[in-house]
Amino acid sequence: DAKTTQPPSMDCAEGRAANLPCNHSTISGNEYVYWYRQIHSQGPQYIIHGLKNNETNEMASLIITEDRKSSTLILPHATLRDTAVYYCIVMGDKVIFGPGTSLSVIP
Amino acid sequence: KAGVTQTPRYLIKTRGQQVTLSCSPISGHRSVSWYQQTPGQGLQFLFEYFSETQRNKGNFPGRFSGRQFSNSRSEMNVSTLELGDSALYLCASSWGTGGRETQYFGPGTRLLVL
Repeated sequence: DAKTTQPPSMDCAEGRAANLPCNHSTISGNEYVYWYRQIHSQGPQYIIHGLKNNETNEMASLIITEDRKSSTLILPHATLRDTAVYYCIVMGDKVIFGPGTSLSVIP
Repeated sequence: KAGVTQTPRYLIKTRGQQVTLSCSPISGHRSVSWYQQTPGQGLQFLFEYFSETQRNKGNFPGRFSGRQFSNSRSEMNVSTLELGDSALYLCASSWGTGGRETQYFGPGTRLLVL
């Protein structure tokens, strides 16, 4: 099961785009990249997922590199409510969560 | 559609006791996964059930067990509780299994072992 690497923390100014990177160099060809976020001790919230193409939904955009070894989650206009821990996960038979990135949105 | 529900939300037990936690998945979902979250170890996968069968298991001792019923509801049991079992226990449901289905998490059960 592939593991992921994310920076432990990031800051973003309110209203600006937040770009959260993730490395998943051991990803297999049929494994999806998923992003979740967790706001203080609540259950993780699904954000977006993708296989090889870039994806966009009402919450975020996901950019996956052509070699699929890394991806970036983009929150286009960060708000204070986006302050959370963001997890990048390669979804295999066993889901392995890393420590995630703690994103702080600053007024 | 109602989300994933977990009961109870909070629980206090003492060492040596056992505990059973319950998870009701989103209607139509057949897979339920369980996770343990602690400040030191983060989110760790416990096990996954699909159609009443355990499909995958994480690296936890045999004191941790689970089951799934025909209506897809799931329970997990921890026997002989230890202080280190204090954690937020999360369950997640998905329509299918195999790593390609989006999992939706419940609010969790916070267990405190004294």
